[in-house]
Amino acid sequence: DQQVKQNSPSLSVQEGRISILNCDYTNSMFDYFLWYKKYPAEGPTFLISISSIKDKNEDGRFTVFLNKSAKHLSLHIVPSQPGDSAVYFCAATGSGGSNYKLTFGKGTLLTVNP
Amino acid sequence: GAGVSQTPSNKVTEKGKYVELRCDPISGHTALYWYRQSLGQGPEFLIYFQGTGAADDSGLPNDRFFAVRPEGSVSTLKIQRTERGDSAVYLCASSPWTTHYNEQFFGPGTRLTVL
Repeated sequence: DQQVKQNSPSLSVQEGRISILNCDYTNSMFDYFLWYKKYPAEGPTFLISISSIKDKNEDGRFTVFLNKSAKHLSLHIVPSQPGDSAVYFCAATGSGGSNYKLTFGKGTLLTVNP
Repeated sequence: GAGVSQTPSNKVTEKGKYVELRCDPISGHTALYWYRQSLGQGPEFLIYFQGTGAADDSGLPNDRFFAVRPEGSVSTLKIQRTERGDSAVYLCASSPWTTHYNEQFFGPGTRLTVL
């Protein structure tokens, strides 16, 4: 039972255009969401996060949007660059005693073409 | 500064053998986590240490899996009687404390292949 779902296994965009990666979750106890980026043969690296008390968080070219009523979040990358090509994981964690435990989606492979 | 390191980077073993996977967290990080990433999946939580003690081992799949962190720094994940289904990338992460606003820093992982 996947609590965090990334329904697009892959996405291909042109350099300079916007990349939009989507994530849905089912567990209403989740209240903090993170995006990680992973290159081959490396561990995931933290990219950006958002608390459930916000609906948007921006960091440079990266913006995460959260729609709590729809249990949906998205990561926007503008403008996309070839170096952004990687697997992007959406992750979530809940309040209370298990807030250390990240629940990940399956990931989306982003390819940015020059 | 050094990040999280994991050794070995690759481990090939035969079914039924015992393996140990090592994780060196970032210096000073009190929290340490193990995750397992199977092919085509995202990382799945295995166990969490705060200091020397395993605060949550609910993600360990069965009693063949065990992890220790005797001095609150280096951790070892131990798998007995390995099975082909144990083949995966085992990721270790650390963080300075456990709050929502503290990201987990991941190592490069150990790719375990059980033949």
